[in-house]
Amino acid sequence: AQSVTQPDIHITVSEGASLELRCNYSYGATPYLFWYVQSPGQGLQLLLKYFSGDTLVQGIKGFEAEFKRSQSSFNLRKPSVHWSDAAEYFCAVAPTSGTYKYIFGTGTRLKVLA
Amino acid sequence: GAVVSQHPSWVICKSGTSVKIECRSLDFQATTMFWYRQFPKQSLMLMATSNEGSKATYEQGVEKDKFLINHASLTLSTLTVTSAHPEDSSFYICSARDPEGVFASGANVLTFGAGSRLTVL
Repeated sequence: AQSVTQPDIHITVSEGASLELRCNYSYGATPYLFWYVQSPGQGLQLLLKYFSGDTLVQGIKGFEAEFKRSQSSFNLRKPSVHWSDAAEYFCAVAPTSGTYKYIFGTGTRLKVLA
Repeated sequence: GAVVSQHPSWVICKSGTSVKIECRSLDFQATTMFWYRQFPKQSLMLMATSNEGSKATYEQGVEKDKFLINHASLTLSTLTVTSAHPEDSSFYICSARDPEGVFASGANVLTFGAGSRLTVL
């Protein structure tokens, strides 16, 4: 079955510390991969995406993610977290066939300590 | 970039009444829109795919008669929760694809609205 796993439900980091959010997927073939961020009561904002090519992708707000095919992972990283990064982060996959039916992970809630 | 607008952001209604939520694509035409439901502290679950000019495609387990979807134009899809009950209370989010890839996000990326929180008393 197709699925996305975000093993960490909650993560707390200090401001200025580095961050890594994990995402693993189970899919028949390499899908399109996304990271979205959701602030409380808000919709989702795209942080970055991977379609093909360079496996290290850069996104907005200083985030990057690395696609590792052998591990079926697409982990999100940021070298120095800011207090404004506190939010819910969702990893998602979508088929490359063009149906755009995203499958979302359960999300990781990030708390940033001052 | 591409923007999707949802209205209303918040709605409170009495049990048994119907509520309509609008989803609009701004500055681009969306032949396909998607409606998601998000329970507190949970992920997004796809409810249905809204197709302009044709019937919506519902995911398994989603009641078609409960959640009416209409995609009457290339920029507007509506979700009507009919005869709402407290268990329908949730956060509803729509999304749309910019098929022409006019914006930097590209044609293969969904843009999400800010969501509509429904509370049924």
